Amino acid sequence: GNSVTQMEGPVTLSEEAFLTINCTYTATGYPSLFWYVQYPGEGLQLLLKATKADDKGSNKGFEATYRKETTSFHLEKGSVQVSDSAVYFCALSGSSNYKLTFGKGTLLTVNP
Amino acid sequence: DVKVTQSSRYLVKRTGEKVFLECVQDMDHENMFWYRQDPGLGLRLIYFSYDVKMKEKGDIPEGYSVSREKKERFSLILESASTNQTSMYLCASPPQGRVNQPQHFGDGTRLSIL
Repeated sequence: GNSVTQMEGPVTLSEEAFLTINCTYTATGYPSLFWYVQYPGEGLQLLLKATKADDKGSNKGFEATYRKETTSFHLEKGSVQVSDSAVYFCALSGSSNYKLTFGKGTLLTVNP
Repeated sequence: DVKVTQSSRYLVKRTGEKVFLECVQDMDHENMFWYRQDPGLGLRLIYFSYDVKMKEKGDIPEGYSVSREKKERFSLILESASTNQTSMYLCASPPQGRVNQPQHFGDGTRLSIL
C-alpha cells in the first residue's frame, strides 16, 4: 500500500534560517503529493501540491519538487518567520481515488 | 471558497456513551472523509463516503460507524466511547473532478473521553 515517511521533529530554528523537512513516499502508479500545514488550534490547510514528476509546488515562500527518481517531496523555505511555527504534514493521494495517506507530521518552532 | 464545518471544537464525554460528531460541507461534494489525529501518528483515515448512503472503511474503523443521509452531512459515530478514542477528529472533503484535488479540512473536534 501507499506510505509516507517524513522527518521526525520537533525542529527548532531561528528566524531567517533555512528550512528543509524531508519527505519520501511509496506508492503505486502516479500519486499526487501535498504539503499541509496546521497552525495551533486550527485544522489543516493546503500549503502546496504537485501532481506529476518534476512539478514544483510553491506558496508563501515554501517550495517542494516532486522527484520520482528519488520518490521524494522535500519542503524548503529560504528564510523562516516566527509565523511559520506550525505542524507540517506531507501527504499523497493515489492515482485512482481521493484517499490521502499522511506522514506523521513535523512540528516546527521558529524563535525570534 | 469551500467551507467544511464541524459542529463542535471541543467535546467531553464519558466512557460508554454514544457520541456523534457532525460535519457539513457547503459545496455539494460527493466525497467526505473522517480522520483522527494523534501525536506521533499523523492522520489516520477512519471512514469515508463517496455518495449518500455509501461508505467505506478506512484504515482504523474499529469502534466507529458513520452515517451519510444527506449529501452535505457526514456523521461519525462512536458506538460506545472508550478512553482510547480521545483524540482530535478531522473531517475533510475534496472538490469534484480529478483525484489530484486537495482535500479541504474542517477545524477539527478535540474529543476527550473520561
